[in-house]
Amino acid sequence: AQKVTQAQTEISVVEKEDVTLDCVYETRDTTYYLFWYKQPPSGELVFLIRRNSFDEQNEISGRYSWNFQKSTSSFNFTITASQVVDSAVYFCALSEPFKGSARQLTFGSGTQLTVLP
Amino acid sequence: DTAVSQTPKYLVTQMGNDKSIKCEQNLGHDTMYWYKQDSKKFLKIMFSYNNKELIINETVPNRFSPKSPDKAHLNLHINSLELGDSAVYFCASSPSGLTADTQYFGPGTRLTVL
Repeated sequence: AQKVTQAQTEISVVEKEDVTLDCVYETRDTTYYLFWYKQPPSGELVFLIRRNSFDEQNEISGRYSWNFQKSTSSFNFTITASQVVDSAVYFCALSEPFKGSARQLTFGSGTQLTVLP
Repeated sequence: DTAVSQTPKYLVTQMGNDKSIKCEQNLGHDTMYWYKQDSKKFLKIMFSYNNKELIINETVPNRFSPKSPDKAHLNLHINSLELGDSAVYFCASSPSGLTADTQYFGPGTRLTVL
């Protein structure tokens, strides 16, 4: 069975602090894709990043960075100099077989990040 | 220019009623999905559908049925609503349904069954 674990249920930080959200996954696939989504208080799910299993280079996008380590099956997400607008639930997800030729996203349970002013 | 849209955004109804949620995508994608997010924020797939096959998660009650009038639409019909159906329902789409695809989500529909 494939699964995604986000052990941090809730994190609170003060604005301008750096924060790392952890994601650990399990899969038997040799080729797989990992994702991060953001769910702000308004409720929509916003795609942040997709990473394939063959690319272990870290990625940086503005204040966001992602650290993918295949050896530890982790795909962690760091926000540098956090802002109040970063307050949201963040989901890590793994693309896995569903049935037949279909794929599905298996989501972690999410981490509620609260950035205090 | 909304990519994936859902209507209504909020739906409040009585137990036993039948209701539908509409989903439309203008991304030209071949595959659409329905996910359910429960009160603890846990997201789980309900259906995957492209023009060739409908894949149903076996845990979904047969009171739920997706209907696709065309490639850009995947509506969710729910019969005989129960209290436990209260949740946020998300529609999503992806180019082809393959491993590499990114799924883009609609804004969600909050269903409350009284």
